[in-house]
Amino acid sequence: KAGVTQTPRYLIKTRGQQVTLSCSPISGHRSVSWYQQTPGQGLQFLFEYFSETQRNKGNFPGRFSGRQFSNSRSEMNVSTLELGDSALYLCASSLDPQLGSGVSSYEQYFGPGTRLTVT
Amino acid sequence: DQQVKQNSPSLSVQEGRISILNCDYTNSMFDYFLWYKKYPAEGPTFLISISSIKDKNEDGRFTVFLNKSAKHLSLHIVPSQPGDSAVYFCAARDYGGSQGNLIFGKGTKLSVKP
Repeated sequence: KAGVTQTPRYLIKTRGQQVTLSCSPISGHRSVSWYQQTPGQGLQFLFEYFSETQRNKGNFPGRFSGRQFSNSRSEMNVSTLELGDSALYLCASSLDPQLGSGVSSYEQYFGPGTRLTVT
Repeated sequence: DQQVKQNSPSLSVQEGRISILNCDYTNSMFDYFLWYKKYPAEGPTFLISISSIKDKNEDGRFTVFLNKSAKHLSLHIVPSQPGDSAVYFCAARDYGGSQGNLIFGKGTKLSVKP
């Protein structure tokens, strides 16, 4: 089974621009989460999507947004880029079984990330 | 305030010996804990997890111990191998929170020397 894929792998943008990152989850996984990793802050949760709906959101400004499509693929967008947005952006997918299915799978599986550099 | 803390930024161990990575948490509502390994320029790789109803889970060379009263968990790697050199992240899930939100520690860089 193919893993989580993210495109592009590397991106260089200038301040004020906007950027869109893409994530394709593992086949059958319905939950997609996004994280930002910086050297000082570690991995910080951005938001989670399930069935095309944002289910949970971290403590990031409104410049960070996302969406999920019917095939579970997800995109995140950052508008009006700032130097501090330079980071590794990671997407993770998980199975998220229906309640009562008897399957417990809280593990998230990460993609390789998109390295965003803002100059 | 950090809810998941990995107080040792780095750890160096000799090949063949045991590596013990520690993690403390503050939120008693956490009900599931995970360990991830991360190499540079790659995404984190899931290693092992433990539910809060257990105190130990083992998978090959990796064992995770959970002490709920102390709000502490640890990852034991025995025997350590040079290929285990990576950054290890501890993560926790908040009971009642959505599945997609894991709270991560800042990581411990493990170096296993031949």
